[in-house]
Amino acid sequence: DAGVIQSPRHEVTEMGQEVTLRCKLISGHNSLFWYRQTMMRGLELLIYFNNNVPIDDSGMPEDRFSAKMPNASFSTLKIQPSEPRDSAVYFCASSDSDRATDTQYFGPGTRLTVL
Amino acid sequence: RKEVEQDPGPFNVPEGATVAFNCTYSNSASQSFFWYRQDCRKEPKLLMSVYSSGNEDGRFTAQLNRASQYISLLIRDSKLSDSATYLCVLAGGYNKLIFGAGTRLAVHP
Repeated sequence: DAGVIQSPRHEVTEMGQEVTLRCKLISGHNSLFWYRQTMMRGLELLIYFNNNVPIDDSGMPEDRFSAKMPNASFSTLKIQPSEPRDSAVYFCASSDSDRATDTQYFGPGTRLTVL
Repeated sequence: RKEVEQDPGPFNVPEGATVAFNCTYSNSASQSFFWYRQDCRKEPKLLMSVYSSGNEDGRFTAQLNRASQYISLLIRDSKLSDSATYLCVLAGGYNKLIFGAGTRLAVHP
């Protein structure tokens, strides 16, 4: 079975540009998580959805970040405008549980560099 | 104080060695505990859950000490392929997983 799919795998952009990261869940999973990983702050939860509904977005840094789940298997994370401090690896994870604390399966990540 | 604290390492050990990592947590209400493994430039993957009575999976043994609020991971007979960063993860008290910064292990021939 295919795992979580993320695209693009690498993104280099200039400050001020819009960035859109994409994620496809594992078939049959109903929870979706967006994480950001940096050397300084480690792995941080940005937002999670359960059955397409955003449950907890308290980790979203600021209004420049937005996430959507237009259908049960797909999500986007958008940064507009991007800033150099947004440079990080962004992981998407999915789960077949309604609880955010059960096992999560991570995608390969998108390495974002904002110049 | 950080919610989850780990020694960043690196732990440099020869093949065949036994190595142990500890992780301390601050929230006594935490109920679920896990070890995830992350290879260089890869995604985290679940290694094992940690149960109150301790549990073993092949060469890996996980222990939980609630009184002292720490969990541990013991790796016996280290392999080169065990080289990775090991993330301590907990849940409960928050409706989300909290990840430690990780302990880096390097196994050399």
